[in-house]
Amino acid sequence: QSVLTQPPSASGTPGQRVTISCSGSSSNIGSNYVYWYQQLPGTAPKLLIYRNNQRPSGVPDRFSGSKSGTSASLAISGLRSEDEADYYCAAWDDSLSGPHVVFGGGTKLTVL
Amino acid sequence: QITLKESGPTLVKPTQTLTLTCTFSGFSLSTSGVGVGWIRQPPGKALEWLALIYWNDDKRYSPSLKSRLTITKDTSKNQVVLTMTNMDPVDTATYYCAHGTDAGIAAAGTQYYFDYWGQGTLVTVSS
Repeated sequence: QSVLTQPPSASGTPGQRVTISCSGSSSNIGSNYVYWYQQLPGTAPKLLIYRNNQRPSGVPDRFSGSKSGTSASLAISGLRSEDEADYYCAAWDDSLSGPHVVFGGGTKLTVL
Repeated sequence: QITLKESGPTLVKPTQTLTLTCTFSGFSLSTSGVGVGWIRQPPGKALEWLALIYWNDDKRYSPSLKSRLTITKDTSKNQVVLTMTNMDPVDTATYYCAHGTDAGIAAAGTQYYFDYWGQGTLVTVSS
């Protein structure tokens, strides 16, 4: 059971806009930055969003991140077939056990 | 450019200790704001963060695995080593190392995110 909760699957058709949610708590998303990673089949994860809504260079502006309270979202506009991948949210957690990173369970995005 | 590569055994027996090495290039782990982390992924499952070592030798561990993990760095060799004791079949996973970058300070203190990843190495735990 992951600390951050994501829907296990999402889907859309080419050109559509899809959003993937990530729910946490006050000790993680509520008080720390959110990060998003994309994992294409058979490859290592790739950083997609950092500090809630910042894109690394090279990441298309079709990808955007947002955060509100203890939840965050990743939006993908103009969906393309190459966006079919697993998406993971992550955040630091400052619970009593000390600062540590937590991941969501991942969302498998299917482009229909 | 920044590259990282994991190395170590592909098969370990239950109760043995796993030692993984991350060899990197394109950055120095003595540079302020830099770190190297380990993340694993059991087959078909989600990512799980394990540990992070900072440029100043500060370390963070997953609370659930802290008693079994040790992370160290050798700046002169551009290597980070992760040891995990008392391996179990549930520890079968692909283990990734990743370059960490300082994202700034929030409630959990200095936040690092992983912007470059190694290709990963599959470790199977079986007798």
